[in-house]
Amino acid sequence: SAVISQKPSRDICQRGTSLTIQCQVDSQVTMMFWYRQQPGQSLTLIATANQGSEATYESGFVIDKFPISRPNLTFSTLTVSNMSPEDSSIYLCSVEGRIYGYTFGSGTRLTVV
Amino acid sequence: GQQVMQIPQYQHVQEGEDFTTYCNSSTTLSNIQWYKQRPGGHPVFLIQLVKSGEVKKQKRLTFQFGEAKKNSSLHITATQTTDVGTYFCAGLSGAGNMLTFGGGTRLMVKP
Repeated sequence: SAVISQKPSRDICQRGTSLTIQCQVDSQVTMMFWYRQQPGQSLTLIATANQGSEATYESGFVIDKFPISRPNLTFSTLTVSNMSPEDSSIYLCSVEGRIYGYTFGSGTRLTVV
Repeated sequence: GQQVMQIPQYQHVQEGEDFTTYCNSSTTLSNIQWYKQRPGGHPVFLIQLVKSGEVKKQKRLTFQFGEAKKNSSLHITATQTTDVGTYFCAGLSGAGNMLTFGGGTRLMVKP
């Protein structure tokens, strides 16, 4: 399966600031997915990022809050903008596996104070 | 939109006991996937079920996909402390690639 390097692994940020999370995949993939996992909760899809086009956002998530870049087929970033304590979560990127299933990055544990 | 419900939310078992988690979708699924997330870790793919009524086994884990392709279960025989974690089902429906995750079942095993 694909190998994903996700950075940073964790961060503590001041409210009102922004954090950019990076995911690097060891192979070219068409779509990359960004999820949020609030403490003790399930995974919620934020957006799907295709190379060369605007990301597609799920209901409840907007581009101004979660801008995404997808400059090539192996890399994507998610920015959490103007953070508040409610944004404290684990953020995960994911790609389709080479055969089946999805592979996840190791996650970014964000705490906003 | 599609919803995937999973029960129970939590399960405490004594080591050696069996464990089952159940997953129900509001819509028919093209496939269902199961993931395990260890405490502090990220979800790791376990298996995918595609066919109606399909049953797959991985050592002590048995996965089933319902005849109507709307429900699924994961059964662990004789749990071990290494089974600790949260088990998620995730359904894929229609032509899209969007997975909808169930709420997860957190398994705790007492040695």
